[in-house]
Amino acid sequence: AQKITQTQPGMFVQEKEAVTLDCTYDTSDPSYGLFWYKQPSSGEMIFLIYQGSYDQQNATEGRYSLNFQKARKSANLVISASQLGDSAMYFCAMRAMGGSQGNLIFGKGTKLSVKP
Amino acid sequence: NAGVTQTPKFQVLKTGQSMTLQCAQDMNHNSMYWYRQDPGMGLRLIYYSASEGTTDKGEVPNGYNVSRLNKREFSLRLESAAPSQTSVYFCASSERVRVYSNQPQHFGDGTRLSIL
Repeated sequence: AQKITQTQPGMFVQEKEAVTLDCTYDTSDPSYGLFWYKQPSSGEMIFLIYQGSYDQQNATEGRYSLNFQKARKSANLVISASQLGDSAMYFCAMRAMGGSQGNLIFGKGTKLSVKP
Repeated sequence: NAGVTQTPKFQVLKTGQSMTLQCAQDMNHNSMYWYRQDPGMGLRLIYYSASEGTTDKGEVPNGYNVSRLNKREFSLRLESAAPSQTSVYFCASSERVRVYSNQPQHFGDGTRLSIL
């Protein structure tokens, strides 16, 4: 079965420090994509970063980077130099074939709180 | 620069009432989706439309119907609302992508629906 697991319901980080949000996934498909979304308290879903299963390098987008460990089936989001505006829910999602027919499967999310 | 527009933003219904949630996108995307978000559950796919003229069930379709009115619009209907359908509903759209495509889904701001 295809599944995304985010084991940290909540995380705290001090402003200006780096933080890692964990995501593990389960799929038997060799081709898949992993996405991270941010949901601030206002409720909208904001796309942050993407990692493809065949990508040789870890994805980076500004202060966001992915620590992609394919053998461990993990795709952890690293936020560098945390800012107060980073306080939000963060969702990891996977696109694979199999039962999901290429649709996104979401984890339950991690609530990040940045302390001043 | 509207992207995905959902109406209404908030709604309160009584058990047994019916309602249609509207969604429109202006990005010329082929695929559209309806999700529900419940506390601690992440986003779960209700229905999707891979292209104009097609609709398919997602993970939690019971109690809902959808209509892909044209390429821009995808509506979600609750025929007889139940308290268990109290949730935040998100519409999303994307290019019709292959599994390993880096194209994300773009989300609307959500509809907060309460059923008493």
